[in-house]
Parts: sequence; structure tokens; C-alpha cells
Amino acid sequence: TQLLEQSPQFLSIQEGENLTVYCNSSSVFSSLQWYRQEPGEGPVLLVTVVTGGEVKKLKRLTFQFGDARKDSSLHITAAQPGDTGLYLCAGPTMGQNFVFGPGTRLSVLP
Amino acid sequence: EAQVTQNPRYLITVTGKKLTVTCSQNMNHEYMSWYRQDPGLGLRQIYYSMNVEVTDKGDVPEGYKVSRKEKRNFPLILESPSPNQTSLYFCASSLSPPRGLAAYTQYFGPGTRLTVL
Repeated sequence: TQLLEQSPQFLSIQEGENLTVYCNSSSVFSSLQWYRQEPGEGPVLLVTVVTGGEVKKLKRLTFQFGDARKDSSLHITAAQPGDTGLYLCAGPTMGQNFVFGPGTRLSVLP
Repeated sequence: EAQVTQNPRYLITVTGKKLTVTCSQNMNHEYMSWYRQDPGLGLRQIYYSMNVEVTDKGDVPEGYKVSRKEKRNFPLILESPSPNQTSLYFCASSLSPPRGLAAYTQYFGPGTRLTVL
């Protein structure tokens, strides 16, 4: 079974700080996705990374896919209260289904 | 507007009373899924469907049924709900199943909060 772990589980920081959250597995994934979920809503896709070593930037968010395609990170620069939410990584399994990590709950205080 | 809709949004029921949660998408997507979300466990896939009349079990299928008679609809059925099925449920759809290096964007509905007493 392909599993995804995320760390930290919870993160509370002040506005303007930088942070990194991690998504790890002992299995190789063909691609990984990052979603953000806000209270009372479904997850929304932020990015898909498909190539080992790939780095993608989305404004203040930087996503990296590990060379071995077993891990990924999300770095946020100068966090803002609007970044508050649950960050989930997800990947397709060897079958035709998806597995999600447990998530990192981020709180950015003004 | 492209969207995934679920109904109802909130449901409180009692053990053993059959219920159905509906899911509909208007994007002509092939792939649809049901997930449950529990604190500390993230999203776990219950069932998925790669096309009409094609469904398969996810990681936690026990106690659930699904059907895919039309491309746009993918209802989740709990024949005899139990308290351990109290959870937040999400339906999702994507253009196609994950194939090779392609993992298409999954679009999620707003969620259904189910409480089984």
C-alpha cells in the first residue's frame, strides 16, 4: 500500500514568516499534487509535480518534487493570513485510485 | 459554472436507516470518487469510477455502495449506516483516471457532513 505522510501536523506562525511543510513516502509516485482546503469547503488543487527534481512556483508558494519521486515540499515565503488552511498532498497509486496524506494545518496570525 | 454538487450538505440519521448522498458534475468528467475525511486521517478514498458502469473499491469501501448509471451522477449509498460512518464526505471528479505521469486535477464538491446516532 502506498502511503503519504505529512509534517508538521500543525503549524502556527506570524504573518511575514517563511515556512516549509513536507510530504514523504517510502514508495515512488509518478506525480504528486498539493491541495489547500479551507473550512467548510472541498480541497482545491494548487499544483501537480510530475518530474523528479522539479520545482514549481506559484506566487509566494514554491513546490519541489524529490529526485527519487518519494517526497515533496511546499515552501511559503512571507506568509499571509489568507494562506491559513489545511494543506494536503496526494498521489495516484499503482491502481487507478488516489491516496492523500493526513495534511498540515497552517494558521497564519496577523 | 463548472462544479461538483452534493446533497444533502448536512444529515443526521439513526443506525440502520438507509440513506443516499447524491453527487453530480457538469464537466463531462470520466473519473469520479467518493472520499471520507476524518480528523488526523486525511481523505480516504471509498469508491471510484472510471466511467459509466465501471466502479471499483478504494481503501475503505466496507459499508458503502455506489452506482454509475450516468456519466454525471455518482451516488453514495449507505444501506445500514453505523456510528463509525459519522464523517465528512466529499465527492470529486476529474477529466480522466490517473494514467502514467498524468494525474488530472480533481474537482471536489462542498462536502456532506453525516452524523449517525
